[in-house]
Amino acid sequence: KNEVEQSPQNLTAQEGEFITINCSYSVGISALHWLQQHPGGGIVSLFMLSSGKKKHGRLIATINIQEKHSSLHITASHPRDSAVYICAVKRNTGTASKLTFGTGTRLQVTL
Amino acid sequence: IAGITQAPTSQILAAGRRMTLRCTQDMRHNAMYWYRQDLGLGLRLIHYSNTAGTTGKGEVPDGYSVSRANTDDFPLTLASAVPSQTSVYFCASSELSGSYNEQFFGPGTRLTVL
Repeated sequence: KNEVEQSPQNLTAQEGEFITINCSYSVGISALHWLQQHPGGGIVSLFMLSSGKKKHGRLIATINIQEKHSSLHITASHPRDSAVYICAVKRNTGTASKLTFGTGTRLQVTL
Repeated sequence: IAGITQAPTSQILAAGRRMTLRCTQDMRHNAMYWYRQDLGLGLRLIHYSNTAGTTGKGEVPDGYSVSRANTDDFPLTLASAVPSQTSVYFCASSELSGSYNEQFFGPGTRLTVL
């Protein structure tokens, strides 16, 4: 079993829909990272959080440390949100910021 | 330079050849990382460096080597490429201190080994 599991693996939504992507992990962590990868391949950091909730524009990320679960929400989705969303966790060990990654959720938003 | 650059963008390589992927950052980050991304497996750490002069092995280090002669550069070398090293390679960097070590990624190098 992977230490970081994302669901769903693939998601298709219509423009304007509210979207939720889930991330569950099985190890102790100090922080969780949400990343976005567009079809061109580049990876962009969206959020890094260790508790509670963060909001940036139409994106909201929440984390529940006790339940080892995080969600990424997209409100009023748009075709430009189509991308792969990747969850990664920073473990509670060592000094380097080594991350363990989920396999990603591929989102397609249609008109 | 703004952020992290990688070179080449893509490369087709014959098996057995030596190849160095280049990575340069201008953010004065202490830590740098090399990942490979394969379909269905997500990103996996190959090697990392906490600071200039030090390196460490990640999850999948076999067949790869790195060096960190200075803060800005972190090249990844495949001494004798094999087809299983066909992948997309991403370099990343971050500050080392503190728990909020957000990583910044380069644009990637697509490598095909025939």
